[in-house]
Amino acid sequence: EAGVTQFPSHSVIEKGQTVTLRCDPISGHDNLYWYRRVMGKEIKFLLHFVKESKQDESGMPNNRFLAERTGGTYSTLKVQPAELEDSGVYFCASSPRVARAEAFFGQGTRLTVV
Amino acid sequence: DQQVKQNSPSLSVQEGRISILNCDYTNSMFDYFLWYKKYPAEGPTFLISISSIKDKNEDGRFTVFLNKSAKHLSLHIVPSQPGDSAVYFCAARGSNYKLTFGKGTLLTVNP
Repeated sequence: EAGVTQFPSHSVIEKGQTVTLRCDPISGHDNLYWYRRVMGKEIKFLLHFVKESKQDESGMPNNRFLAERTGGTYSTLKVQPAELEDSGVYFCASSPRVARAEAFFGQGTRLTVV
Repeated sequence: DQQVKQNSPSLSVQEGRISILNCDYTNSMFDYFLWYKKYPAEGPTFLISISSIKDKNEDGRFTVFLNKSAKHLSLHIVPSQPGDSAVYFCAARGSNYKLTFGKGTLLTVNP
């Protein structure tokens, strides 16, 4: 069974540009989460999808971040326009149902804004 | 405010000995606690979890202990192996299902 996959693994963009990160969850997992780790700090929650619906987006930093999950399968996280403080590793995770606490993480996308 | 704290940034142990990683939390509404292991350039890998209604969960070499009155949990690895060297994250799940992570502890197991 394929795990959670994220693309790209690395992205270097200039301040003001747009970047779109993609996440493919484990097949059949209704719950999809985005997290971010800024260098040296803890992994922080961004938002939670149940199928195609946003269940909780309380962790999204500001309106420069837009997440979508069309059709309840893969998800994209767009940052537009990117700022220097957006640099970090963006993780996607999925779980089959919320009754199970553990979420399975992808390898992350390292975003560097210069 | 940091609701999940791992106060030791690093821990070094000898192969074959016990590794004890600690975690403290402040929110009494957390219903599950989890440990994740992370190697460089990889995502966190789920290791073991414990429900807030339990005080111990064991899986092979890994045991998690929960002390609700002290709002403290620990992960015991016995015996420790060099392949266990990684960053270990403590995480807690709240009523809204999101995970709150600590900053991690770098475990080094020396041969």
